[in-house]
Amino acid sequence: KAGVTQTPRYLIKTRGQQVTLSCSPISGHRSVSWYQQTPGQGLQFLFEYFSETQRNKGNFPGRFSGRQFSNSRSEMNVSTLELGDSALYLCASSLAKGFEQFFGPGTRLTVL
Amino acid sequence: QQQVKQSPQSLIVQKGGIPIINCAYENTAFDYFPWYQQFPGKGPALLIAIRPDVSEKKEGRFTISFNKSAKQFSLHIMDSQPGDSATYFCAASKGFFGAGTRLTVKP
Repeated sequence: KAGVTQTPRYLIKTRGQQVTLSCSPISGHRSVSWYQQTPGQGLQFLFEYFSETQRNKGNFPGRFSGRQFSNSRSEMNVSTLELGDSALYLCASSLAKGFEQFFGPGTRLTVL
Repeated sequence: QQQVKQSPQSLIVQKGGIPIINCAYENTAFDYFPWYQQFPGKGPALLIAIRPDVSEKKEGRFTISFNKSAKQFSLHIMDSQPGDSATYFCAASKGFFGAGTRLTVKP
């Protein structure tokens, strides 16, 4: 069974731009969560989607948004990028009610 | 407000030693406590998890000890190997992670 895939793996943007990251969950997994990982803040929860609906949301500004498609694939968008948005963005998928999460390799975003 | 507190930040042990990583939580509604292992350049991978109705769980060389009354849980790695060198995260439920512990096992 293929794991969670994330594209692109690396991204360089400049301040003020916007970016879209993509995540394909494990086949059969309907829940997708997004996390931001930085050396100073660790792993911070962004949001969770299930059946195309946002189920939970972390404490991030509205510049961070996401969506989920009918095939469970998910995208997250960050608008008006700031230097502090430089981080590894991780996607994790899980079964509908399961807590067990499977993480993708992440997208390394660098904002210059 | 940090929901899960993890210590130590870093840990160095000799091969064969037993590193212990500790976590504490506040919210008694949490009902699932996983540990993740992360190697550089990779996403975290689930190592072992426990529910609060169990005080200990072993999987291979990895053991979780859970103290519900103290709201604490810990990871023990028996007979540690250099290949165990990684960053370990504890978590509570789905979205609350500890800050991570960088473990180095020296040959």
